[in-house]
Amino acid sequence: AQSVAQPEDQVNVAEGNPLTVKCTYSVSGNPYLFWYVQYPNRGLQFLLKYITGDNLVKGSYGFEAEFNKSQTSFHLKKPSALVSDSALYFCAVRDGGGYQKVTFGIGTKLQVIP
Amino acid sequence: EPEVTQTPSHQVTQMGQEVILRCVPISNHLYFYWYRQILGQKVEFLVSFYNNEISEKSEIFDDQFSVERPDGSNFTLKIRSTKLEDSAMYFCASSRMGEQYFGPGTRLTVT
Repeated sequence: AQSVAQPEDQVNVAEGNPLTVKCTYSVSGNPYLFWYVQYPNRGLQFLLKYITGDNLVKGSYGFEAEFNKSQTSFHLKKPSALVSDSALYFCAVRDGGGYQKVTFGIGTKLQVIP
Repeated sequence: EPEVTQTPSHQVTQMGQEVILRCVPISNHLYFYWYRQILGQKVEFLVSFYNNEISEKSEIFDDQFSVERPDGSNFTLKIRSTKLEDSAMYFCASSRMGEQYFGPGTRLTVT
């Protein structure tokens, strides 16, 4: 079985400061890891993914995420937060490639304070 | 940029009624999915569909649910006899082999 944990319900950060949204995962095989963002009354927008290769992956809107196999983590980061980054962020995992389902975490609300 | 579209954006129905939620996946995608998100809860997988058949389904996807790809573009989710607890946001997604792209969702309200 695959699972994702997002330990923080909410993260508050001041505009211009770096932000981190935490995620840990559990899969039996090779993890395919994703971050999605959801703005109010909107769908899920894909931000970035890790499949293989460099542990630091870069995505949309200046976000990046670091894959750490030993800690089974895939934390989302951004060097300088914007007020417009305020949204709900979901980490997701899939056990391997192909068409298998994606399992989502509970989501972390990011609040960027002006 | 191509995107997944869903209609309607909001559906209100009475308990016991049938509803059909519609999705148009990205045209060159091969795999199709339905997920749901009950208000304040996480996104849950319902079903995946490939090559005109269900490839995987969750325990939520019981006999009241069905999916269909009636033509080359649409992908539908039918809920046969809606219950109050079916009230949720329903997301369609599609993919080739990598990330899944999600539609904006249909908010289903069962009264």
